[in-house]
Amino acid sequence: DQQVKQNSPSLSVQEGRISILNCDYTNSMFDYFLWYKKYPAEGPTFLISISSIKDKNEDGRFTVFLNKSAKHLSLHIVPSQPGDSAVYFCAASAPGNQFYFGTGTSLTVIP
Amino acid sequence: GAGVSQSPSNKVTEKGKDVELRCDPISGHTALYWYRQRLGQGLEFLIYFQGNSAPDKSGLPSDRFSAERTGESVSTLTIQRTQQEDSAVYLCASSLLAVEQYFGPGTRLTVT
Repeated sequence: DQQVKQNSPSLSVQEGRISILNCDYTNSMFDYFLWYKKYPAEGPTFLISISSIKDKNEDGRFTVFLNKSAKHLSLHIVPSQPGDSAVYFCAASAPGNQFYFGTGTSLTVIP
Repeated sequence: GAGVSQSPSNKVTEKGKDVELRCDPISGHTALYWYRQRLGQGLEFLIYFQGNSAPDKSGLPSDRFSAERTGESVSTLTIQRTQQEDSAVYLCASSLLAVEQYFGPGTRLTVT
């Protein structure tokens, strides 16, 4: 049972434009959400997080939006850069529990 | 460095053999996770250790898989009687108070 879903396996964006990666979840107990970036042959690296008490968190070019009523979060990257090309995973957890990961979205930023 | 380390980085084994994968978490991190990523698939949760609590083993795919953790340090993931479908990258992560996880580079397991 996939509690965290990333329905777009891939996304291509022109350099300088906005990249929007989406993530949906089913468990209303989730209260902490994270995005990870993964390059080939490396482990995922933490990118940005948001707790359920907020609906937006911004860190430089990266912004995560949380819509609790829709059980949806999204990661916006603007402006997109070729170095952003990677697989992006969203993850969610309930208090004291394991993290559930989505299946990832492969982002390609075209120079 | 002070990051999560895993060994070996690559392991090729014959079907039916046992393998042991090691994870050294970041010092002081109370939580440790094992994940598996098969080719073309997402991260699959395997097991979670949090302090002295009983581990959450709900993600282990079969009884051939087991994991141990010594206190709040090293963890080993053991796969007995390996099968070809066990081929994957096995990732370990640690975190403090179960927030952001820091991942190791992974162990690429190939079962021939």
